[in-house]
Amino acid sequence: DTAVSQTPKYLVTQMGNDKSIKCEQNLGHDTMYWYKQDSKKFLKIMFSYNNKELIINETVPNRFSPKSPDKAHLNLHINSLELGDSAVYFCASSHQDRNTEAFFGQGTRLTVV
Amino acid sequence: AQSVTQLGSHVSVSEGALVLLRCNYSSSVPPYLFWYVQYPNQGLQLLLKYTSAATLVKGINDFEAEFKKSETSFHLTKPSAHMSDAAEYFCAVSRATGGFKTIFGAGTRLFVKA
Repeated sequence: DTAVSQTPKYLVTQMGNDKSIKCEQNLGHDTMYWYKQDSKKFLKIMFSYNNKELIINETVPNRFSPKSPDKAHLNLHINSLELGDSAVYFCASSHQDRNTEAFFGQGTRLTVV
Repeated sequence: AQSVTQLGSHVSVSEGALVLLRCNYSSSVPPYLFWYVQYPNQGLQLLLKYTSAATLVKGINDFEAEFKKSETSFHLTKPSAHMSDAAEYFCAVSRATGGFKTIFGAGTRLFVKA
């Protein structure tokens, strides 16, 4: 009965490769997010989707491309991976109302070597 | 623009002692404020949230926070620390402009000594 699930949990890959992270939520939320957490634990939003439409695209290299096939899924594809992309990526979801909290997945630890 | 500042990247307390984690916010509109906890190798979990209903908010595991508009603060407290409280704590604010998203503070690592 996992609410927000991400796969894979760990991802080790070489520079220059392309990889995807998948996210699914079964909470019936209409908004989904990708956050990046760096080695100092700082959390920064990358993207936000509402009803499959991109709402927020923070200053993220265009090597990162989110895709939302439906309201319950938000995937993240990364092209030409760089060492600096190593981080933990969190998927989250919420209702659109600003007073509702976000529910987070367990995170995907990406290591680029 | 909205933002939150957490004072102190690390806080250390003894087991049984009071926990106080500080958070100040900046917002041009009435804010909605949250505290999240992150245990090692896990995602974030909501501890409590302020949505203007009451200034003193109670959360899970005996945590509570008080919204003080005059001080633009939303500090998190717990009367008696447990070893299991050791984790990273994040204060966050939500905004409405430009889409709905939550902006997080830099986090405070809580250490609990036996």
